[in-house]
Amino acid sequence: DTGVSQNPRHKITKRGQNVTFRCDPISEHNRLYWYRQTLGQGPEFLTYFQNEAQLEKSRLLSDRFSAERPKGSFSTLEIQRTEQGDSAMYLCASSSGDRGNEQFFGPGTRLTVL
Amino acid sequence: KQEVTQIPAALSVPEGENLVLNCSFTDSAIYNLQWFRQDPGKGLTSLLLIQSSQREQTSGRLNASLDKSSGRSTLYIAASQPGDSATYLCAVSWDGSEKLVFGKGTKLTVNP
Repeated sequence: DTGVSQNPRHKITKRGQNVTFRCDPISEHNRLYWYRQTLGQGPEFLTYFQNEAQLEKSRLLSDRFSAERPKGSFSTLEIQRTEQGDSAMYLCASSSGDRGNEQFFGPGTRLTVL
Repeated sequence: KQEVTQIPAALSVPEGENLVLNCSFTDSAIYNLQWFRQDPGKGLTSLLLIQSSQREQTSGRLNASLDKSSGRSTLYIAASQPGDSATYLCAVSWDGSEKLVFGKGTKLTVNP
C-alpha cells in the first residue's frame, strides 16, 4: 500500500492557461474524491467518483473545471482558463467504502496562478 | 445548512499537558466523523474515524468521542509532545452524501 499519490506537487501557471492534475488512489479503493483548500480554511469538497462514475459534484465546480476517472483507477482534474482565484491546494482522497468509509488523502497539488 | 465548527482556532500548551480539541456540527443525522492532522504545506493524515453508531475511538495517546444528540465531538490528546504541533481538522459526512464537510481547524502548538 503506497498511499494516495498526486502529481505534480506544485504548479505555477499564468492566468488563462489550462492545467491538469493527476491522482492515483490506493489500489483497490473504488471511491475517489477531490477537494480544494485555501489558506487558513478547511478543505472544500469538489467531486466524487465511485469506480468510473462521477456521482456527486459541488456547485464550486464551475464549467471551467472537469474531472474524469476513465477506467475507475486514476483520476484527472482539469482547470481551463485559470484565474487567480483558482490558486489553492488541490487534494485527492480515496476510500474503499468499508470501515465507515474512512478517506485517505494524498499530499496535494499546490496551484499558483500568476 | 450542514456546517462544522472548531473552537479554538489556535491553542498553545506546554509539553506534557493533556488537552481537548472541540468540534461541533449541525444536523445530528451524521454517517461518520473523522479527525485529521495537517502539517504545514502537507496533505491530511487520518487520525480517527467514529461511525454514527459509536461513542468513541482510541489510538495511542488519542481519544475521540462523539455525542450526536448535542452535535459535538472532542479529540483528547494525552501527554502532549512538541511533535504533536500541527493543525487538527474535524470532518463530518452526513447520511445520503459521501462528501466530508470540514471545520477550519485548530492550530496546536506544543512548547518544549
